[in-house]
Amino acid sequence: DAGITQSPRYKITETGRQVTLMCHQTWSHSYMFWYRQDLGHGLRLIYYSAAADITDKGEVPDGYVVSRSKTENFPLTLESATRSQTSVYFCASKGLGGIPEASGNYEQYFGPGTRLTVT
Amino acid sequence: QKEVEQDPGPLSVPEGAIVSLNCTYSNSAFQYFMWYRQYSRKGPELLMYTYSSGNKEDGRFTAQVDKSSKYISLFIRDSQPSDSATYLCAMSRGGFSGTASKLTFGTGTRLQVTL
Repeated sequence: DAGITQSPRYKITETGRQVTLMCHQTWSHSYMFWYRQDLGHGLRLIYYSAAADITDKGEVPDGYVVSRSKTENFPLTLESATRSQTSVYFCASKGLGGIPEASGNYEQYFGPGTRLTVT
Repeated sequence: QKEVEQDPGPLSVPEGAIVSLNCTYSNSAFQYFMWYRQYSRKGPELLMYTYSSGNKEDGRFTAQVDKSSKYISLFIRDSQPSDSATYLCAMSRGGFSGTASKLTFGTGTRLQVTL
């Protein structure tokens, strides 16, 4: 199916464990993003990628690692999970920018989210 | 102070009411303004998009941008129970670089439209 998918949808893990959240998109979009959503903070950018092998930090990158060896995949790894990383994680993708008036060039398409609980 | 401020609500209105949702921002470099709608336990989806100042209408929805006041609004006419969701404003500087592609989101306003 075309679109953007995330796995797992729900995950419970223990403090100190490594966890990897997967994101896959079928549009060959250049840009991919990882956000976390918490009450009172809204969506905050963790990392983003402009293309394969190009990644950069967002607003809250500490404790997270990303890689992008293929255009369609953008995994997010929590190397040693902490309770403060309990959150809902969203992956998004976007095509290249272009004509400013065309919303399709700026729209980010979001996945369904992964609800992560760290105990 | 956050770059984008949005009242979290919740906002409860009766069916048929006109709803006004607002965001203020501090970064004058923002040029692209979006409203995303997020249903419970779903990912956000783009609802409205505006480039620079002005109004944009799409069916029952109207987006307004006042760059001089750094204030954006979303109006929903004849609100329906199916409009019950969280509405997030988002902004971007625009351009082609990775940094310019980033969106800054408000915290979202939860809207409940009652029968």
